Parts: sequence; C-alpha cells; structure tokens
Amino acid sequence: ETGVTQTPRHLVMGMTNKKSLKCEQHLGHNAMYWYKQSAKKPLELMFVYNFKEQTENNSVPSRFSPECPNSSHLFLHLHTLQPEDSALYLCASSQIPRSRGLTDTQYFGPGTRLTVL
Amino acid sequence: SQKIEQNSEALNIQEGKTATLTCNYTNYSPAYLQWYRQDPGRGPVFLLLIRENEKEKRKERLKVTFDTTLKQSLFHITASQPADSATYLCALGGAYNNNDMRFGAGTRLTVKP
Repeated sequence: ETGVTQTPRHLVMGMTNKKSLKCEQHLGHNAMYWYKQSAKKPLELMFVYNFKEQTENNSVPSRFSPECPNSSHLFLHLHTLQPEDSALYLCASSQIPRSRGLTDTQYFGPGTRLTVL
Repeated sequence: SQKIEQNSEALNIQEGKTATLTCNYTNYSPAYLQWYRQDPGRGPVFLLLIRENEKEKRKERLKVTFDTTLKQSLFHITASQPADSATYLCALGGAYNNNDMRFGAGTRLTVKP
C-alpha cells in the first residue's frame, strides 16, 4: 500500500452519464495530481493541486472537472465523456519541492480503470 | 519540445541475467531522474532517484546511472527473477515547479524462468 487510495477501481459509464472518481492520501502531502494513462502512451499529467489550489491544467477538456476540498482529498468529476476517454486514471500525491534539487517523488494510487461506452 | 524515450517497448531476458533498460531525453535539463515500477492494473511505485550531480546509485539488485552529457540513464537489475517482470518507467523532474515531471512510456520487462 502506498498511502494513496482511489475509488472506484473500475467504472463503466455511458457517454451521457455523470460520475466522480475519488482519491485520498494518508501521507500528509501538500500536492495532489491526476494523470491519465492510455495503452502504450506515457502518463499524461492532467491537473495539479498545491495546498488545495489548482496550479496546472494541461489543456484538459472541460468534461473533466477536478475538485480538491482539502489537501488529503481529490475528486475528478466526469460528464459527457467520449469513448477515447477510456483509460486508467491515476491519482498521486507528493510534497511540494521548494527549490531545485528537492524531490517531489510522487506516490500513486492503484488507479481507476474507466471504460466509456 | 521535450522528449523522453525508453528505447525498448519490451525486453525479454532469462532468469539470473542482468536486465538493462535505457531512458534518453532531449530538450530538458532535469535536476533528477526517477525510476518507477508498474504492475498491470496498478499505479507506478517509486524505486530509485538519481540527482544531476550523481553518476551512479544502487539499491540492492538495482543500479541506476545518469549521464547528463549523453542525456541518458541506464537502469540495471542484476540476478533478475521472474518477480521482476513489470513495466519500468523513467521520470524526469526537478525544476522549481512540481508540474514539470515528465514520464517515459515505459519498458515492459519479462524475466523467464
């Protein structure tokens, strides 16, 4: 166990559904991340939250909506998704590096396998 | 644009041999490089970190080298075991922001008994 939990582990949804993915970290970290992992592609960073504030949105379509109510919890709200959004969605947490050379080793949850029909 | 290449999509070796995985990068000046292991259907798990001023790092059967001139890292697993079979990802990071860590696509290692 890495100290990062994600629910649900598997999700099948239609294109008109609305669902949410949940992530919780028990490591006392102050940064949380959402990644998308598609087959044979590198991890794609979607969103970054530092101290609950969103600091990065890598041109993610608006059908993905993140929410970070506190430093331990992170949600990804999904609506009107497309079949190409089917992927493994990973949450991670870390400490925020304060200067070059300090590490931001990320600890990942087990992921949610999302299938959009 | 920044590019990270793990030059083997898949690597098959015999048990007991040394596995060597490669990570090359361009248009990037990382402060450190990390290697993660990912099993099917699971999230990546951190293994080793090597900083820009370090040449080599070891942890048990694992060894990582980092050549900032060649822009390359090599990841070695000695005396490999079937349990080492997994996908291994390299990740570069370490500028002032924590939103600049970039991952390679990974190399799937299979160790045959």
